Amino acid sequence: AQSVTQLDSQVPVFEEAPVELRCNYSSSVSVYLFWYVQYPNQGLQLLLKYLSGSTLVKGINGFEAEFNKSQTSFHLRKPSVHISDTAEYFCAVTRNTGGFKTIFGAGTRLFVKA
Amino acid sequence: GAVVSQHPSWVICKSGTSVKIECRSLDFQATTMFWYRQFPKQSLMLMATSNEGSKATYEQGVEKDKFLINHASLTLSTLTVTSAHPEDSSFYICSAREGQMNTEAFFGQGTRLTVV
Repeated sequence: AQSVTQLDSQVPVFEEAPVELRCNYSSSVSVYLFWYVQYPNQGLQLLLKYLSGSTLVKGINGFEAEFNKSQTSFHLRKPSVHISDTAEYFCAVTRNTGGFKTIFGAGTRLFVKA
Repeated sequence: GAVVSQHPSWVICKSGTSVKIECRSLDFQATTMFWYRQFPKQSLMLMATSNEGSKATYEQGVEKDKFLINHASLTLSTLTVTSAHPEDSSFYICSAREGQMNTEAFFGQGTRLTVV
């Protein structure tokens, strides 16, 4: 079975400051890794994904994430945040075997202050 | 990108009635669809996985008789909440994946169910 841990439930940050949202996972099989953003009363929007290859993944809206296999982490970063980045962010893993179920972390609320 | 549409986006129903939520893949064939439930300020919890033409696989603790899932075609899956109660009020989200080896699932916009 796989699991996902998002270490911070809330991250307040000032506008134009850098931010890192942390994600650690555990799995007995290889996995694919994702970050999603959710705005209130909406579905999920994919920010970026790691399937294979380069461990540094760039996504939409200036976000990037780095896959660290030894630390089983997939932290999300942005060098300069905007007010519009205020949302809920979910880290997710999909196991690379039968069923391809996706399991989500508990979510991190990013709150960007002016 | 691929589009998954959920309908309705919100619904209010009386306690004891049944509600059907539709999930459609608009521009691809969804071999597998997933249904999630999300309580306020919480994460998405996987309820079940459905493959076209076969019975859904439910996660532990999910009542299959209460949450009926049908995946009769490659573009449509439905979730029916039977005999709904106020505790069933939640945000329900579906996702769909194309093919067996494709890794990314695309999400619908969600359905807000309120049972009064």
